[in-house]
Amino acid sequence: AQRVTQPEKLLSVFKGAPVELKCNYSYSGSPELFWYVQYSRQRLQLLLRHISRESIKGFTADLNKGETSFHLKKPFAQEEDSAMYYCAALSGGYNKLIFGAGTRLAVHP
Amino acid sequence: DSGVTQTPKHLITATGQRVTLRCSPRSGDLSVYWYQQSLDQGLQFLIQYYNGEERAKGNILERFSAQQFPDLHSELNLSSLELGDSALYFCASSGIPGQDRYGYTFGSGTRLTVV
Repeated sequence: AQRVTQPEKLLSVFKGAPVELKCNYSYSGSPELFWYVQYSRQRLQLLLRHISRESIKGFTADLNKGETSFHLKKPFAQEEDSAMYYCAALSGGYNKLIFGAGTRLAVHP
Repeated sequence: DSGVTQTPKHLITATGQRVTLRCSPRSGDLSVYWYQQSLDQGLQFLIQYYNGEERAKGNILERFSAQQFPDLHSELNLSSLELGDSALYFCASSGIPGQDRYGYTFGSGTRLTVV
């Protein structure tokens, strides 16, 4: 079954510490992968997509096909990074975007 | 503003009632998706429409139904409401297949409270 797994419900770090939010997927073929961020139960905002290989707000994510992972990383966390982060995967055609359970990142001063 | 408009923003209703949530997709987007976000279930995919036709169904209850109209706006109808239906309901839109790889655009959601 197609599945996106985020093993951590909560990740708590201090400001300036490195952050890694884990995401693993189980999909056949080559899914498209995304990270979304949600601040205070507002709308989900697209943070990263693996096809773009971009860095947004200092976050990067690398697709590791061998480990079927798409972990989100930031070298120095900021307090304003505190939010819910969702990893999501999309297979081809009309298939829907499947979300992981989400990880709450709490950055403390 | 993401370009996806959802109304109303908040809705409080009693058990057993029926409500309609509305979504207008981003201009040019043909696909509309509905998601339910509750505290204990996370983000659950409900249903997808593409250019007026139902394309995919997720964990949508039989008490719930949806449609997409010729102007591409969509409505999600929730009936015989139960306390457990209280949640945030998000709508998202995307373009034609092949553009999905750029991700969906989400609306601000409708917060439904059933009392």
